[in-house]
Amino acid sequence: AQTVTQSQPEMSVQEAETVTLSCTYDTSESDYYLFWYKQPPSRQMILVIRQEAYKQQNATENRFSVNFQKAAKSFSLKISDSQLGDAAMYFCAYRSSNTGNQFYFGTGTSLTVIP
Amino acid sequence: EPEVTQTPSHQVTQMGQEVILRCVPISNHLYFYWYRQILGQKVEFLVSFYNNEISEKSEIFDDQFSVERPDGSNFTLKIRSTKLEDSAMYFCASTGLPQIGEQFFGPGTRLTVL
Repeated sequence: AQTVTQSQPEMSVQEAETVTLSCTYDTSESDYYLFWYKQPPSRQMILVIRQEAYKQQNATENRFSVNFQKAAKSFSLKISDSQLGDAAMYFCAYRSSNTGNQFYFGTGTSLTVIP
Repeated sequence: EPEVTQTPSHQVTQMGQEVILRCVPISNHLYFYWYRQILGQKVEFLVSFYNNEISEKSEIFDDQFSVERPDGSNFTLKIRSTKLEDSAMYFCASTGLPQIGEQFFGPGTRLTVL
C-alpha cells in the first residue's frame, strides 16, 4: 500500500511570511494524484491544491504552490504571504489513478499563524 | 456552495452498542466514502460506495461495519457492536468524478466508545 509521510507535526509562521510544509510518499506507480487539504478547527477538510503526477509543472493556486519532485517522491506546499485564516491542520494525500480511488493521507501538519 | 454534512458531531456510546453515523453527500455526487482518524494517527480509508454497493473496502472494514444509502440523500455507516478501539473521528466524503476529481469531505463525527 502507498504511504504518505508528513514529518512536521506542527509549524508556525509569522503573518505575511512564507512557510513550506513537507510531504513525502512511497509508491511504485507512475500515474497518480497528490492533494493538499486544509482542515480549520471544527470544520471540514477542503481542497487547497492538486497535482497530477504526469504534469511536470508545479500546481499553483493564488498564494499556494507546490514543489513536486517526482523522482524524490516529494510534494511540499508553500504558502506565501501567510494570513491568519491559513491557520489549520494541513493533510497531504495520495490517490492512485489505477487501483481504485481511495485516498491515502499523511498524519497532518498543524499550522499556526502568528500575528 | 454545497457541502457534505454529518450528524451527529459527537457520539458517545457504550462498548458493545450499535451506532449509526449519518452523512448527507453533495446532491449530484454518486460516489461516497467513509474514512476514520484515530487520535494522533492518519486518516484511514474504510469503504467506498457506488451504485448501491460497496466498490472497495479496507481491512479495517470488517463484518462489524456496514454502509447503506437508505434514501436518495443519506449515506450511513453502522458499527454493529462497538469496541473501544473504534473511538475515532469518522469522515464522510463524496465525489462526482472519482477518477480525476477531489473528494469533498464532511466535518466529521467524533465517536467515543466507553
